[in-house]
Amino acid sequence: DAGVTQSPTHLIKTRGQQVTLRCSPKSGHDTVSWYQQALGQGPQFIFQYYEEEERQRGNFPDRFSGHQFPNYSSELNVNALLLGDSALYLCASSSLGQGQWETQYFGPGTRLLVL
Amino acid sequence: AQRVTQPEKLLSVFKGAPVELKCNYSYSGSPELFWYVQYSRQRLQLLLRHISRESIKGFTADLNKGETSFHLKKPFAQEEDSAMYYCALQRSGGGADGLTFGKGTHLIIQP
Repeated sequence: DAGVTQSPTHLIKTRGQQVTLRCSPKSGHDTVSWYQQALGQGPQFIFQYYEEEERQRGNFPDRFSGHQFPNYSSELNVNALLLGDSALYLCASSSLGQGQWETQYFGPGTRLLVL
Repeated sequence: AQRVTQPEKLLSVFKGAPVELKCNYSYSGSPELFWYVQYSRQRLQLLLRHISRESIKGFTADLNKGETSFHLKKPFAQEEDSAMYYCALQRSGGGADGLTFGKGTHLIIQP
């Protein structure tokens, strides 16, 4: 099992463009969370998907949207990119097992640079 | 809203010395607390969570509700402990809820 995988590894965009990042959860996991990690900061929670619906959302504007597919993989979309969106975007997966949610496992991240 | 504070951006200790990485939190309920570690060129991974009360790689952490702290400790540091350490909080009963992270402490173990 490769664990949580993310693509692409790096991305360069210009202000105003749109970007889509992809995540495949760890085998057996059905819940995907997205985090933004700016340089020198800890990860910040963007939102979480379960059963193809947004289950919880952090303090991020509507420019950030997502999707979860029937195979549990997920996409993060960011519209109208700003310079401040430059960051490492992390995906984490988990699952509901034996009546309680299990630990979140993180992917390697996608580094986005907005020029 | 919950908040996690890690007051030290950088902590440097000598090999064999004790290590303590501080973590304080603010949250109105009873939180679940975690320590995540990121070694050089590796992904973020769970080190320990308070409910399991385990000792991982010699590290332990005790939840002190009175002081709202969850400090990470190890009696004898090893060079392979050098990494970024993040304290994280999840609301009680929050299950798979998003984690609230601190800004992290860069631990350097000098030979």
